[in-house]
Amino acid sequence: DAGVTQSPTHLIKTRGQHVTLRCSPISGHKSVSWYQQVLGQGPQFIFQYYEKEERGRGNFPDRFSARQFPNYSSELNVNALLLGDSALYLCASSSQGLDRPSYNEQFFGPGTRLTVL
Amino acid sequence: TQLLEQSPQFLSIQEGENLTVYCNSSSVFSSLQWYRQEPGEGPVLLVTVVTGGEVKKLKRLTFQFGDARKDSSLHITAAQPGDTGLYLCAGGGTSGTYKYIFGTGTRLKVLA
Repeated sequence: DAGVTQSPTHLIKTRGQHVTLRCSPISGHKSVSWYQQVLGQGPQFIFQYYEKEERGRGNFPDRFSARQFPNYSSELNVNALLLGDSALYLCASSSQGLDRPSYNEQFFGPGTRLTVL
Repeated sequence: TQLLEQSPQFLSIQEGENLTVYCNSSSVFSSLQWYRQEPGEGPVLLVTVVTGGEVKKLKRLTFQFGDARKDSSLHITAAQPGDTGLYLCAGGGTSGTYKYIFGTGTRLKVLA
């Protein structure tokens, strides 16, 4: 079975532009979470979606938005890009919502490396 | 604000040495996960611990969850160059939240 896939692998944008990142979870997984990982730091939680509904949101501005589709794939959108948005954006899938972590593990994709110039 | 502090931040050791990485918080977590991340890749899950005091072993790696579920440790015996990477702890399941809080990371380099 394929793992979590993300596209694109790398992306270069300029300040003020908009970007859409895509994620396909492991087959059968209904939950997708998005994380931002700045170089040298641990991942920071952005969103979690479960069964197409937002279940959690981290401390990110409204420029960040996401959605989950009926096939459980997900998009992360970032508007009005800033230099500080340059990071590795990670998608993680799990079989259940993260409110039952004892029974549930996250599997990460390879990430999308976003560079904002 | 929930924080997970990892120590040490950087560690460079010789092959065959033992090491311990610590993950500490003032918050209680219902579970804690350890990941290893290679450059340019996503984190790979190593283990999940859910019970206070729980100890899990994965070959040369030993993971322990603190009795109060606020801290954890990762011990590597006889480190090998293949153990090189960024080790991350992540706490989850605090009441009313759905997110995982990641630690600051420990970058390990094992020299041959």
